[in-house]
Amino acid sequence: NAGVTQTPKFQVLKTGQSMTLQCAQDMNHEYMSWYRQDPGMGLRLIHYSVGAGITDQGEVPNGYNVSRSTTEDFPLRLLSAAPSQTSVYFCASRATGEGGYTFGSGTRLTVV
Amino acid sequence: EDKVVQSPLSLVVHEGDTVTLNCSYEVTNFRSLLWYKQEKKAPTFLFMLTSSGIEKKSGRLSSILDKKELFSILNITATQTGDSAVYLCAGLNSGYSTLTFGKGTMLLVSP
Repeated sequence: NAGVTQTPKFQVLKTGQSMTLQCAQDMNHEYMSWYRQDPGMGLRLIHYSVGAGITDQGEVPNGYNVSRSTTEDFPLRLLSAAPSQTSVYFCASRATGEGGYTFGSGTRLTVV
Repeated sequence: EDKVVQSPLSLVVHEGDTVTLNCSYEVTNFRSLLWYKQEKKAPTFLFMLTSSGIEKKSGRLSSILDKKELFSILNITATQTGDSAVYLCAGLNSGYSTLTFGKGTMLLVSP
């Protein structure tokens, strides 16, 4: 099993550009989340999903969209990149019942 | 608003020392407290604590949850340089299964 796979690992965007961060998991997990990690701020929840077709906003959703058309995939879209979105982005998934979230390896995004 | 506070924010110890990391939480519909280790990459799962007073152990690491005081500790005995990392604590919400993270404790173990 590959676990949680994120692509790309690194990305540089110009202000105003849009892009999609990909996240896929092969563990048949119902719950998936996107976090951003900034120095001194810890991990903050952007959007989450409790199953295919169901998504909701987390703590810092502005400027981001998500969709969950399948159990496996949970892409994060940046609509119009801003320098404030420079961060490391982590996707994570979890099964129902016991067990913690498994994290992907992250995407380091720089907006110039 | 859910909140998780970790202390200390950073810690430097010598190899062989024992350390205790602290985590207090206020999480709506609290279900569990999770500990992660992060070494410059993705957080890796250490423990999930759901019941109060039951210690979980993995090698030199152990953790316990106090649901009355809304508090958890992570102990590391006989520290090694490989224990140097950021340790993250997070509260799991039972309703939406989301995590609220603390800012982490940066542990540096010197030889």
